[in-house]
Amino acid sequence: DQQVKQNSPSLSVQEGRISILNCDYTNSMFDYFLWYKKYPAEGPTFLISISSIKDKNEDGRFTVFLNKSAKHLSLHIVPSQPGDSAVYFCAASARNYGQNFVFGPGTRLSVLP
Amino acid sequence: DVKVTQSSRYLVKRTGEKVFLECVQDMDHENMFWYRQDPGLGLRLIYFSYDVKMKEKGDIPEGYSVSREKKERFSLILESASTNQTSMYLCASSSRGRGTEAFFGQGTRLTVV
Repeated sequence: DQQVKQNSPSLSVQEGRISILNCDYTNSMFDYFLWYKKYPAEGPTFLISISSIKDKNEDGRFTVFLNKSAKHLSLHIVPSQPGDSAVYFCAASARNYGQNFVFGPGTRLSVLP
Repeated sequence: DVKVTQSSRYLVKRTGEKVFLECVQDMDHENMFWYRQDPGLGLRLIYFSYDVKMKEKGDIPEGYSVSREKKERFSLILESASTNQTSMYLCASSSRGRGTEAFFGQGTRLTVV
């Protein structure tokens, strides 16, 4: 059973508009959440993270929101650019219960010019 | 600059062969990981190591083994390659402690024929 879910396999948005990628998790022990971006034939690159003690973290065009009661997080990209087209993975870890990262299945974002 | 290097970008092996995938990191990280990425399944953890000579099974360890003789190097071994091990293999490392991300290598696309 997947502990980290990304229910949208793909998403298309127009350049300049907002992209919203969603992620849900089931394990209440998770206390650190990350987003990664992956281009084909490359390794994932870290984008942004959030600790469970926060509900929002911003870095330039990227903002992550965390709703602990709903076990839900989202990544907002504003404004979206064609270079943002990639697969986005949500990941979670339970820092006090081991050091591994659990990844979701990914969402393919296409930003149309 | 942070670096995780995997020995091969592309590999083609025959069924039954013993396959070694090597990964080296230059960040003095304690933790190292091997994932495989398959469409629709995201990144699944095969094995991880939190110290030299230490290893822990991940979600899908069957058919794989690992070796960590030095802190900077983590090897994944396919004892007898099978076609269902055709996949993208990703190595990652992270430091011990809270609030840190995993850094990934460029990936090895393994095809077993």
